[in-house]
Amino acid sequence: GAGVSQSPSNKVTEKGKDVELRCDPISGHTALYWYRQSLGQGLEFLIYFQGNSAPDKSGLPSDRFSAERTGGSVSTLTIQRTQQEDSAVYLCASSHGQPNQPQHFGDGTRLSIL
Amino acid sequence: AQSVAQPEDQVNVAEGNPLTVKCTYSVSGNPYLFWYVQYPNRGLQFLLKYITGDNLVKGSYGFEAEFNKSQTSFHLKKPSALVSDSALYFCAAYNQGGKLIFGQGTELSVKP
Repeated sequence: GAGVSQSPSNKVTEKGKDVELRCDPISGHTALYWYRQSLGQGLEFLIYFQGNSAPDKSGLPSDRFSAERTGGSVSTLTIQRTQQEDSAVYLCASSHGQPNQPQHFGDGTRLSIL
Repeated sequence: AQSVAQPEDQVNVAEGNPLTVKCTYSVSGNPYLFWYVQYPNRGLQFLLKYITGDNLVKGSYGFEAEFNKSQTSFHLKKPSALVSDSALYFCAAYNQGGKLIFGQGTELSVKP
């Protein structure tokens, strides 16, 4: 079956531009997560959607970052007025939302800010 | 504060030898623990989990992990390492907020 799909796989943009990153979760998964991973580093939690509940935005680093999930499926992470420190790999994961169920990850979007 | 620690940034093992990647955790309540592997330019891939039951959990690709409640540890093990096991390994635990807490990762290098 299809896994978590992220697009684009790579994005290069100039400082100050806005970018949109897309995540298609596994069908039927109610939970969706965004993480940021700097080169060779651990995962930094950004935001978590669970069903129709209000998202947990506690990990968003600034108000330049926002995310939405339409129809309980596809999610878009938007970064406004990008800065060089935003350069990283952005990973999306989905799950059935139960703590005993693993998260399934996409291959990420590698974002480079010039 | 709830946390997951992987004390070794890198582990080096010769092919054919046993390997251990260490993880300790600090979470409230019963721990739900996971191991993931990440190959270059890929997302994380689920290896195994501990929810309840036997302390020795078996997972994908011959990996297993031993849950030790008294030591709050969940070390990843494999009896005989392969060069293809070389990758970045993450330990994770669920917190009560419904999110996974990840360790910082351990780079495993298996040499022929």
